[in-house]
Amino acid sequence: DTEVTQTPKHLVMGMTNKKSLKCEQHMGHRAMYWYKQKAKKPPELMFVYSYEKLSINESVPSRFSPECPNSSLLNLHLHALQPEDSALYLCASSQDSDEGVRGYTFGSGTRLTVV
Amino acid sequence: DAKTTQPPSMDCAEGRAANLPCNHSTISGNEYVYWYRQIHSQGPQYIIHGLKNNETNEMASLIITEDRKSSTLILPHATLRDTAVYYCIVNRGAGNNRKLIWGLGTSLAVNP
Repeated sequence: DTEVTQTPKHLVMGMTNKKSLKCEQHMGHRAMYWYKQKAKKPPELMFVYSYEKLSINESVPSRFSPECPNSSLLNLHLHALQPEDSALYLCASSQDSDEGVRGYTFGSGTRLTVV
Repeated sequence: DAKTTQPPSMDCAEGRAANLPCNHSTISGNEYVYWYRQIHSQGPQYIIHGLKNNETNEMASLIITEDRKSSTLILPHATLRDTAVYYCIVNRGAGNNRKLIWGLGTSLAVNP
């Protein structure tokens, strides 16, 4: 299995809703990432988990709450989002070294619309 | 901070080589250069990466200048399916703090 699987593919939520995005990989990668991408912009890093521990939080608002239940799963819990949070949310995974590896593997993303 | 600069758009004729340049003049000695591409509304797809030496795989070649201040991604025989946004990226940091520093991307249009 050489894929990162994200669910759901599309999500519409109200500003008072609570929802979760899910990401799964079975490549044995020990680092997992959440990115946010707005239209015509590159992905922006939100969080990095390394060996199931949060190692980087890029000053993301607390209405986004990441969780890594085990080495294969990564969740992003959403609560009280704003319309400007509408974007493509990408999950990625990688090994913890640049040498001899094929880089970071990205999922297809969740298209989130906040209404 | 290491960052990359790319032309915003390029055109290429189908069957010809596409040469996509990238400037990363502030790159540090241990930072790798990565190239990814993104077809509309899909997740980024890994193409190639390198540190100092030129690299080649089944998708592309990566030419890195000796001073490492710039690189060129070469798609040897572009097809219509290569139409995408191509990102030149520097991987900064080490261990738990590695993260990708993305350029703004080059939108490549391959024309019939």
